[in-house]
Amino acid sequence: QQQVKQSPQSLIVQKGGISIINCAYENTAFDYFPWYQQFPGKGPALLIAIRPDVSEKKEGRFTISFNKSAKQFSLHIMDSQPGDSATYFCAATLDDKIIFGKGTRLHILP
Amino acid sequence: DAGITQSPRHKVTETGTPVTLRCHQTENHRYMYWYRQDPGHGLRLIHYSYGVKDTDKGEVSDGYSVSRSKTEDFLLTLESATSSQTSVYFCAISELGTDNEQFFGPGTRLTVL
Repeated sequence: QQQVKQSPQSLIVQKGGISIINCAYENTAFDYFPWYQQFPGKGPALLIAIRPDVSEKKEGRFTISFNKSAKQFSLHIMDSQPGDSATYFCAATLDDKIIFGKGTRLHILP
Repeated sequence: DAGITQSPRHKVTETGTPVTLRCHQTENHRYMYWYRQDPGHGLRLIHYSYGVKDTDKGEVSDGYSVSRSKTEDFLLTLESATSSQTSVYFCAISELGTDNEQFFGPGTRLTVL
């Protein structure tokens, strides 16, 4: 019940295309859903986050879509660029605990 | 960048030896976290602290202990290192807890032979 399942494990997208990463959770008590971006050799950094009372949040080319009834949320990267090549982690939090998905390695072809 | 440093950045040690990793912050954030990152497992929370001397376990706490005697320092100790503890360890800080942004340090690569 504490798991966050992330897919796909890896993703290759052409420059200018849309990258989509999906996450699913079981525990309906989770109350905050962040996405983190990690470049090789660096620590993760917060990209965008959403709370369950909102169905969509957009920041520039990055959008989170949240489906509370399906217990799923996804990250969409519009007009994907080579600089977006990184590992992306979804996460869900409850009280002081946070559970991360296993990550998606995204590669954008130039 | 948030003021977080980790030391050492790299360490090679032998099975059975004690190891202590240090996380130091200059942001005066209340919350501090230790994670390990392994291929195929993503980031897993080991322990966290919600104040000086206040700590709690994460999902993979067995074999690890922590201490926080000052706001700025959070120590992770492997009492007797095992090869399964070979990993990259990240410290993170947060002002208000997990439902707010966490700032991650640069990581420590630990190899246990």
